[in-house]
Amino acid sequence: QVELQQSGPGLVKPSQTLSLTCAISGDSVSGDIVAWNWIRQSPSRGLEWLGRTYYRSRWYWQYAPSVTSRIVINADTSKNEFFLQLESVTPEDTAVYFCARDYGGKYLDFWGQGTLVTVSS
Amino acid sequence: DIQVTQSPSSVSASVGDRVTITCRASQDLDNWVAWYQQKPGRAPTLLIYAASRLQSGVPSRFGGSGSGTDFTLTISSLQPEDCATYYCQQANSFPRTFGQGTKVEIK
Repeated sequence: QVELQQSGPGLVKPSQTLSLTCAISGDSVSGDIVAWNWIRQSPSRGLEWLGRTYYRSRWYWQYAPSVTSRIVINADTSKNEFFLQLESVTPEDTAVYFCARDYGGKYLDFWGQGTLVTVSS
Repeated sequence: DIQVTQSPSSVSASVGDRVTITCRASQDLDNWVAWYQQKPGRAPTLLIYAASRLQSGVPSRFGGSGSGTDFTLTISSLQPEDCATYYCQQANSFPRTFGQGTKVEIK
């Protein structure tokens, strides 16, 4: 059974960088038919897919156009974790952030527990 | 981005009723659509993928249909534990996009 455990601060100041970690058990971050996603949810924007990373002989990334200029998703194979960094945050980035696996490139079949991140001074 | 529009935004039905939720896309999705259930304070869980395939462990009262731009999630006999918000998601292209959700309540 795949489990995703999220960690990271719940409060970030405006203009700073939001950083979250997703620790994977039951699968490999460098597995050849999976990808690792970040999604967020807020009352104003609903569920919003942010991006993903995956390994197919090398690392690949795909990001949503709405955040592509300030997002980085990467992974640490030695710790079997992947990470979200969102730079230059504003109060509009306040949301519950989820990590999730997609199997076969399409559907999000395992999710982390969610982390409420508030952007406020 | 592909726009995905769900209706209704909420539905109230009795235990045992049939409930239908629709999802309409701004472009042809073939059958690349998923449905998720989300309960308050929890992450979404995958119910249906590829428009009509039931995810392992999901009760058979849940069903999906459709192709192209119009899709449907059906709960054949509503149970109290089905109170939740349901979302469709298109998996045809990036960025992945979700519907705005349908809240299902028991009368």
